Amino acid sequence: DIVLTQSPATLSVSPGDRVALSCRASQSVSSDLAWYQQKPGQAPRLLIYGAATRATGVPARFSGSGSGTEFTLTISSLQSEDFAVYYCQQYDSWPLFTFGPGTRVDI
Amino acid sequence: EVQLLESGGGLVQPGGSLRLSCAASGFTFSLNAMSWVRQAPGMGLEWVSGITASGGSTYYADSVKGRFTISRDNSKNTLSLQLSSLRAEDTAVYYCAKEGGTSGYYNYWGQGALVTVSS
Repeated sequence: DIVLTQSPATLSVSPGDRVALSCRASQSVSSDLAWYQQKPGQAPRLLIYGAATRATGVPARFSGSGSGTEFTLTISSLQSEDFAVYYCQQYDSWPLFTFGPGTRVDI
Repeated sequence: EVQLLESGGGLVQPGGSLRLSCAASGFTFSLNAMSWVRQAPGMGLEWVSGITASGGSTYYADSVKGRFTISRDNSKNTLSLQLSSLRAEDTAVYYCAKEGGTSGYYNYWGQGALVTVSS
């Protein structure tokens, strides 16, 4: 099974900061990687798919990069509504998908 | 507007059974693969099961294989998950999720149904 590792586990930041979240895969997943944002009590929300394509309605301050085993989600200027948990997901090994453990972005 | 509405969650004893349903609207249900993803309290996301658009193929995580059964009724735009031989570790919020295109990422999620396995 493909294992995803996210770092850091928790990130304490301030509004306006530039944030970079890391996701590493145990083997190549090509560009078959997605990022989700989850706020307390809510379902996950798709942010990025294909490693770098923003989903519909996602603000331009969110960007994704990487391929193979190393991926990054960057938030260019953190807004108050961006404090949440962020998960990466690989879908290269269809249909057996896996999620990373998440990175919590705290104030 | 795409909507996914889960129902059927609740409290069940260990070894018991439960059936979750997901009512889909706002898109052509019969053209999209669907999945169930769960989240134990305070934990991360875990893919549980998936089904192709036609319903002809189904897939399961090792943790639920042989105990859970996914199905769909394209005439009623409904996705289901039959949970059997439930264990305490199956306690979680279960989300119904729609795959984007023919890929494997999820562009829409339901609000979730809580399943609690406890005596």
